[in-house]
This record gives sequence, structure tokens and C-alpha cells, in this order.
Amino acid sequence: EVVVTQSPATLSLSPGERATLSCRASRSVLSNVAWYQQKPGQAPRLLIYGASTRATGIPARFSGSGSGTEFTLTISSLQSEDFAVYYCQQYNNWPLTFGGGTKVEI
Amino acid sequence: EVQLVESGGGLVQPGGSLRLSCAASGFTFNTYWMSWVRQAPGRGLEWVANIRQDGSEQYYVDSVKGRFTISRDNAKNALYLQMSSLRVEDTAVYYCARIGRIYQYYMDVWGKGTTVSVSS
Repeated sequence: EVVVTQSPATLSLSPGERATLSCRASRSVLSNVAWYQQKPGQAPRLLIYGASTRATGIPARFSGSGSGTEFTLTISSLQSEDFAVYYCQQYNNWPLTFGGGTKVEI
Repeated sequence: EVQLVESGGGLVQPGGSLRLSCAASGFTFNTYWMSWVRQAPGRGLEWVANIRQDGSEQYYVDSVKGRFTISRDNAKNALYLQMSSLRVEDTAVYYCARIGRIYQYYMDVWGKGTTVSVSS
């Protein structure tokens, strides 16, 4: 099983600041990584797939990078609606696995 | 509008069974892989199972193999998860999700979820 580790667990930032979230896979998953945003009481929403491709309707302030085992989600300037939990997922190997999440809080 | 609506959750005793359903609309259901993902209270996301467009391939996380069965009815635009021998640790919100692209198993559309509670 590919273990996916996210860091930090919590990121405390202010609106307008830049957020950098990390995701590490226990072995290479090529570029087969997706990022999701989840707000309390809501379903997850796809932000990024293929490590760097924004999903439909996702603002340009969200960007993804990386390949192999190291991946990054960057939010260039935090808006109030961006405070949420973010998950990365690898889909290169079965079973599909998610990281434990990073909470971005004010 | 692309939509997934889950139903069938509830309270069940350990060892019991439950069948979840997911009604799909707004897209050509029989051209997409589909998935179930769960989230235990206060925890992260856990992939449960995937099924191919025609139902000929299924994949499961080890913890549910032999107990859960994913299936679909393309004529009804419906996805199912038959759960048996339920355990307390199966308690979670279960999400139905569409797989974004063939053999690219990210989830691009999610339902709102249905809650399963396993308790005596």
C-alpha cells in the first residue's frame, strides 16, 4: 500500500497570505495525485488532478506541483472561503489512498 | 446538472447488513467508473471500492473485502454498496463519487453522503 503523508496537520494563516501544503507518497506515484477541499458538513470537492491540472471552475489561486513522491498544493492568496481541510490522494496504485489532511485555519 | 444522491444509511447492529444506493443524473452514467469513499466521524477520507463502467471489474480496500459488494445498474443510473457483517469501525459517512477519467481514479463529482452507524 502507498502511504500518503500530509504536512503540516494544521496551518494557521491570515487572509491574503500564501498557503503551502505538502503531500508525500511512500513510493513513486508518478503524477497521479489529486487534491480535494472539504468544508465542515460538506462533501469533498476536487481541486487538482494529475498533480497540477485545475479541475473545472477552480480559481487560479490554487496550483499544484510535484511528481514522484513529493507534491505541493499552493494557495497564492487565501480568501475567507479557502479555510477548510485539504486532502491529497494517490491513484497510481491499488488501494487508492488519501493523506490524513491539512486543516487551513484562520 | 451533474448530481449524485446517496440513500440507505441508518443505524444497524454489529453483524448486520445494509444496502446503500446512489442515484446519478446529469451525465452518461454508463461511461464512467464509480466509487464509494467513506469518512469516519472526525477522521479523514478512506476509499472503499471502485467499479468499472460495465461492472466487470471491482476493487476494494482490504478492510471490506469479503464483506462489501459494489454493483451498478446502468439501466437505472444507480450505484450500490451491499454491506454485510458490519463492524463498529464501519461507522462513517459514505460518499458516492464519479471517477474523473478512465483509468485515472480521481473523484470529480461527489454526492452529499449517507450516514451509517454500527452500534449495539
